[in-house]
Amino acid sequence: GAVVSQHPSWVICKSGTSVKIECRSLDFQATTMFWYRQFPKQSLMLMATSNEGSKATYEQGVEKDKFLINHASLTLSTLTVTSAHPEDSSFYICSASPALNTEAFFGQGTRLTVV
Amino acid sequence: DAKTTQPTSMDCAEGRAANLPCNHSTISGNEYVYWYRQIHSQGPQYIIHGLKNNETNEMASLIITEDRKSSTLILPHATLRDTAVYYCIVQGFGNEKLTFGTGTRLTIIP
Repeated sequence: GAVVSQHPSWVICKSGTSVKIECRSLDFQATTMFWYRQFPKQSLMLMATSNEGSKATYEQGVEKDKFLINHASLTLSTLTVTSAHPEDSSFYICSASPALNTEAFFGQGTRLTVV
Repeated sequence: DAKTTQPTSMDCAEGRAANLPCNHSTISGNEYVYWYRQIHSQGPQYIIHGLKNNETNEMASLIITEDRKSSTLILPHATLRDTAVYYCIVQGFGNEKLTFGTGTRLTIIP
């Protein structure tokens, strides 16, 4: 199947700093990618839709100025958590599909810990 | 997309068939049933999907009732590696967004 890769797998950062997470589709192009957040013992919550060449679409309650999304190419989307705080500590996951109406492929996730 | 209801947790003995139910009583005609699973601390993995016919692949079988209001995912010979949270998701044709419910935590017992 198709491969979506995230980097880094885990990161620890100090409160107030920014962290960038990369999501790459390795063997297909994706005009749309999705970013999810998952807190311990909870389900995945969609944060935003990353659109290649245009602005991301954020879900209700997600601060677009805090979670910056850039989708500059058909194989790469980045999520930057700005001015991170301990409550931003979570598991961040991206996904993409090779084509419309096909299954989604997920990255392995990035565990962010803000200290 | 239609909402789904799944049991919170299930146990299954290793080597037996695991049958995971999902209710989606408000599903509409152009919505597909997708199943994904998430092994601890990993990204979700696609398992199978269907519209109205039963489907089978190398991982599992999907049985959809005739009225499409419910479905069952069958793992024919469960192994310890099948321990995961299984998500049943209804997704409309042309809609790329996935809305995850709480899923079923399946534990395979040795």
